[in-house]
Amino acid sequence: AQKVTQAQTEISVVEKEDVTLDCVYETRDTTYYLFWYKQPPSGELVFLIRRNSFDEQNEISGRYSWNFQKSTSSFNFTITASQVVDSAVYFCALLGGANNLFFGTGTRLTVIP
Amino acid sequence: GAGVSQTPSNKVTEKGKYVELRCDPISGHTALYWYRQSLGQGPEFLIYFQGTGAADDSGLPNDRFFAVRPEGSVSTLKIQRTERGDSAVYLCASSLGAGLYEQYFGPGTRLTVT
Repeated sequence: AQKVTQAQTEISVVEKEDVTLDCVYETRDTTYYLFWYKQPPSGELVFLIRRNSFDEQNEISGRYSWNFQKSTSSFNFTITASQVVDSAVYFCALLGGANNLFFGTGTRLTVIP
Repeated sequence: GAGVSQTPSNKVTEKGKYVELRCDPISGHTALYWYRQSLGQGPEFLIYFQGTGAADDSGLPNDRFFAVRPEGSVSTLKIQRTERGDSAVYLCASSLGAGLYEQYFGPGTRLTVT
């Protein structure tokens, strides 16, 4: 069974602070992919990153970075020097043997100016 | 280029009525997905098309829900005898192919059943 847990329901930070969003997953598939999506107030899901289960290298893209640790089944997302425009709901998702994404319940991030 | 579009953006209907929700995928994308997102939740998978055929409809909650994609492009999600519990945002996504390809999401249709 696939499961994605985002234990943090809501997080508030002050602008310029760093923030980490946690994601823990469960799957029996040996090959799988992990994703992060951003859902701003407009509602449209925006793709941020895809990671396959064989690649545990951390990735950095501008102020965003991702830490994938297979040993703890975690795929955490850090925003450095947060900005008000980062305010959104962030979803972690898993794609395993089936072709559909399995989403967590999301973390609502509010960046306070 | 144009992204995934969905119409209508909002739909209000009475309990028991029939509704159709439309999705226009990105041109050239062979895979199309429908998800449903309830308030405060992540999207939940409903059905996936590869071309014209429904490759996986395991997420459809019951037989009141049906979807088609007759020409392998536009898809319509159909809900019969709507219930208040069907109220949600219905999201459509498309991708170049199945599996590891990125899924691009549309803005969704907010369905409210009164």
